[in-house]
Amino acid sequence: AQSVTQLDSQVPVFEEAPVELRCNYSSSVSVYLFWYVQYPNQGLQLLLKYLSGSTLVKGINGFEAEFNKSQTSFHLRKPSVHISDTAEYFCAVIDLTSGTYKYIFGTGTRLKVLA
Amino acid sequence: NAGVTQTPKFRILKIGQSMTLQCTQDMNHNYMYWYRQDPGMGLKLIYYSVGAGITDKGEVPNGYNVSRSTTEDFPLRLELAAPSQTSVYFCASSGQGGEKLFFGSGTQLSVL
Repeated sequence: AQSVTQLDSQVPVFEEAPVELRCNYSSSVSVYLFWYVQYPNQGLQLLLKYLSGSTLVKGINGFEAEFNKSQTSFHLRKPSVHISDTAEYFCAVIDLTSGTYKYIFGTGTRLKVLA
Repeated sequence: NAGVTQTPKFRILKIGQSMTLQCTQDMNHNYMYWYRQDPGMGLKLIYYSVGAGITDKGEVPNGYNVSRSTTEDFPLRLELAAPSQTSVYFCASSGQGGEKLFFGSGTQLSVL
């Protein structure tokens, strides 16, 4: 079964510094990939998604992610973070070979931006 | 548009009680999902539906049941509540497979 690994449970970073949040998924021929953000006491919101085409995907709030098929990774990056980026970030995958559209989420990475 | 509406927002149950978590969406979405979120565990898929009358199990279906009699509604039933079902539950929907998920605001459930 498809699975998603987010190795970093917490990432502290100073304001205006760059950040990378890592995401790896188990091998599959064909997948859709997503990053969602959850602010405190809220549901999840879509940051960006990869369905096909260019491997570099740009999302909202200055975030981007790169799809790397050979490494089965979809790491999220931002060149300069703000205090308001403090939130929990979830990577998710849909395994298209399963014939369903089940979203499988990772365990999340809590980003803490320090002043 | 209201989007995805979940009720109740909070609930405390005693062990062995049952309850239904309600989820309604007004976007005419075919796909609907129930997740539970536990600290450090991310979101685990309980059940999902690809349309009225069609449901299937997710990663953690034991202790839960669902039905999908209409496009709009996707209630989650807990039978014989157990402390292990203490969690935050999220309902979500999407128009087509692979489209972004729209989430409800969540239900915080405690089983004591």
